[in-house]
Amino acid sequence: GENVEQHPSTLSVQEGDSAVIKCTYSDSASNYFPWYKQELGKRPQLIIDIRSNVGEKKDQRIAVTLNKTAKHFSLHITETQPEDSAVYFCAATTSGTYKYIFGTGTRLKVLA
Amino acid sequence: NAGVTQTPKFQVLKTGQSMTLQCAQDMNHEYMSWYRQDPGMGLRLIHYSVGAGITDQGEVPNGYNVSRSTTEDFPLRLLSAAPSQTSVYFCASSSPGTAYGYTFGSGTRLTVV
Repeated sequence: GENVEQHPSTLSVQEGDSAVIKCTYSDSASNYFPWYKQELGKRPQLIIDIRSNVGEKKDQRIAVTLNKTAKHFSLHITETQPEDSAVYFCAATTSGTYKYIFGTGTRLKVLA
Repeated sequence: NAGVTQTPKFQVLKTGQSMTLQCAQDMNHEYMSWYRQDPGMGLRLIHYSVGAGITDQGEVPNGYNVSRSTTEDFPLRLLSAAPSQTSVYFCASSSPGTAYGYTFGSGTRLTVV
């Protein structure tokens, strides 16, 4: 079945440094890749997404890249701040199903 | 708009009891899903629905039932609660063509003793 692998499971960076989280998906039909941020005790919230017809998308300090051939996509956070500390989840789905399969999450800690 | 509303927020059940977790959305979204979240295992799909009267199984459907009689509501039923069902449950909704992915409810923390 479909599977999404996410690495690393934990990531600590110094404030101001960059953070990169990587995901790999198994279903070649997947064409929509959202990223969610979940703060402690709260619901997951969408922070950025990318569709399969785009290789990169950027929104201020966050960006997502997609390599369809390798079935990889990554989240890049630049100039990290303490408020970026949270758990980040990637997901993959195929349009028409909206059956999201999530990665297991990355706990990001930004050290002041 | 209230978005996605889940009730209750917290629940303690005894093994073998049954209950229904409620989920309602007021955004006229066609797609709705239930996820459970366990430490280190991310969000796992239990059941999902692409419209009223249509449901399908996700990754971990055993022990749960769903129905979708209206666009707004998507309740999750635990038939006979087990300690392994202790988890945080999230309901989410979306609409085809939306650029904003799933909107999640605030979650239900369920403990089965």
